[in-house]
Amino acid sequence: EADIYQTPRYLVIGTGKKITLECSQTMGHDKMYWYQQDPGMELHLIHYSYGVNSTEKGDLSSESTVSRIRTEHFPLTLESARPSHTSQYLCASSETGGQTDTQYFGPGTRLTVL
Amino acid sequence: KNQVEQSPQSLIILEGKNCTLQCNYTVSPFSNLRWYKQDTGRGPVSLTIMTFSENTKSNGRYTATLDADTKQSSLHITASQLSDSASYICVVSDRGSTLGRLYFGRGTQLTVWP
Repeated sequence: EADIYQTPRYLVIGTGKKITLECSQTMGHDKMYWYQQDPGMELHLIHYSYGVNSTEKGDLSSESTVSRIRTEHFPLTLESARPSHTSQYLCASSETGGQTDTQYFGPGTRLTVL
Repeated sequence: KNQVEQSPQSLIILEGKNCTLQCNYTVSPFSNLRWYKQDTGRGPVSLTIMTFSENTKSNGRYTATLDADTKQSSLHITASQLSDSASYICVVSDRGSTLGRLYFGRGTQLTVWP
């Protein structure tokens, strides 16, 4: 089982609140990712990082921001949560190099904004 | 347009029966294809991965096949168990960018009944 963790697992919060979703991995992976997934739909990449101090936006536009100050830690922040942000957020990591570049996923955070 | 299409969208089978899930893709250039299993409320877990030169790959009761010419893959589950109930996601990777972009299908929701 992959050593990648997300907290909280579930979060219900009111509109306008600032939230931070935590993601950490102990595998020493350089690459980390944030995905958004709605029920019955495919995963959409919203942020990724190749290493410390490297962050990029993914394919799906998101109002969230990320930071990568430490290799093992890749938190996602929403400054002002809205009901449209209700979704499941999945964090993943992968090694640099190699042909397969398998991503290992955390358990996810299910966010509900009222 | 790079896409991954999976069928059926959902499937119900009885415990002990076999089933086959389908994946068609248009991703180019092709690097590899993965099948992930995602339990409800959890992150996806990799089952198999196949590169261009591989036609079949097994992982216990799971056997994946790949036809790179027709851009089709299948995942065959033998002697299904209740714990096989999950969403099975086909993921195709390209090497057209430095990111090694992943394209996700929407998954097949498999339910195994006793």
